[in-house]
Amino acid sequence: GQQLNQSPQSMFIQEGEDVSMNCTSSSIFNTWLWYKQDPGEGPVLLIALYKAGELTSNGRLTAQFGITRKDSFLNISASIPSDVGIYFCAGQNLHNSGGSNYKLTFGKGTLLTVNP
Amino acid sequence: DGGITQSPKYLFRKEGQNVTLSCEQNLNHDAMYWYRQDPGQGLRLIYYSQIVNDFQKGDIAEGYSVSREKKESFPLTVTSAQKNPTAFYLCASRGRTEETQYFGPGTRLLVL
Repeated sequence: GQQLNQSPQSMFIQEGEDVSMNCTSSSIFNTWLWYKQDPGEGPVLLIALYKAGELTSNGRLTAQFGITRKDSFLNISASIPSDVGIYFCAGQNLHNSGGSNYKLTFGKGTLLTVNP
Repeated sequence: DGGITQSPKYLFRKEGQNVTLSCEQNLNHDAMYWYRQDPGQGLRLIYYSQIVNDFQKGDIAEGYSVSREKKESFPLTVTSAQKNPTAFYLCASRGRTEETQYFGPGTRLLVL
């Protein structure tokens, strides 16, 4: 099956620093999603990317859908303490055959710690 | 408020017992999903349902069962056949015209 390699596994940064994390896949996706999970909570959608080459921003967050459709990155600028959490990438393919539509494949996550 | 609710937040089970986790949504979403999350791991799909009275196995369905009798409800039963049930369980839903899934707050299951 499809696998996602997400890196780095963890990051320790100082408040105000910029952060970058990425995901690569063994096969192509036609949608990339980035989620953030706070401890003991469900993931919350940050950014959705639907087109190869697309660059999308949401406040201090910027994400790009790689041209090859096998990778995506997420940047966080000017980090703040509330950015702490686990960030997940997820890839999705829309299939025409029944039963496999909209299944997400998740990376293992990047644990971000921000020191005030 | 619209959203996805999971109950309880924490659940304790004795080894060998079945237990059912609740997932309810009032978003009028057609599709619902159950994931399992282990420490340091991504989310893995257990079961999903794209419409009432229909559901499909995900990647790790063994030891689990589901039902979808109502559009707003998608309960997950962790059976005694699941050899390593201790995990964080997440439910998600998706609207028919949407391409993204929205998650509930999760239930942490601990087998004693």
